[in-house]
Amino acid sequence: DADVTQTPRNRITKTGKRIMLECSQTKGHDRMYWYRQDPGLGLRLIYYSFDVKDINKGEISDGYSVSRQAQAKFSLSLESAIPNQTALYFCATSDQTGFGGEQFFGPGTRLTVL
Amino acid sequence: QQQVKQSPQSLIVQKGGIPIINCAYENTAFDYFPWYQQFPGKGPALLIAIRPDVSEKKEGRFTISFNKSAKQFSLHIMDSQPGDSATYFCAASRSQGAQKLVFGQGTRLTINP
Repeated sequence: DADVTQTPRNRITKTGKRIMLECSQTKGHDRMYWYRQDPGLGLRLIYYSFDVKDINKGEISDGYSVSRQAQAKFSLSLESAIPNQTALYFCATSDQTGFGGEQFFGPGTRLTVL
Repeated sequence: QQQVKQSPQSLIVQKGGIPIINCAYENTAFDYFPWYQQFPGKGPALLIAIRPDVSEKKEGRFTISFNKSAKQFSLHIMDSQPGDSATYFCAASRSQGAQKLVFGQGTRLTINP
């Protein structure tokens, strides 16, 4: 979805390096999410934010941190990357209207930690 | 702890067949059950969703069947086409509050011509 962009799209890094993945959205949504996708495990929630001042841990937040710089921007950081953080990372957005809340996903960032 | 279990992990069907993907959930507080479709190199996108007050929902060739007592729901694709080849994820959430989606493990579906 072009309304949700992620940078970089691919990144190879080494163990111990600090990495930042960035997400921007033009949908005007308040809610933003970071997921990781691993084969056989589906998508798992890392962090989510309902506005700039509201950030919450998800299912697998250890080893990750986030920053909500503005309504439209939500960044995910790996302070000291390790090989088992090799995965496909997705940012998503939603608004609070509507039953359940459809989430709109970005194109993903493929991260490889050597 | 996998709150939503999805099967099969992969599925191959001939064109025109009816692939069926199944999901089971544990948390009875869930009341919103979407299916997401993901093509290679793309993010998941909402395909169809159901609330537990109905047992079936159809949108075009896609149907969700829902069994509240068994805590199970499934996706059926009628007259499947090669363009339906993708990875499908079921999910569940509470419709109110945080609305956090819990995803199943995913099913890689291949429709052969």
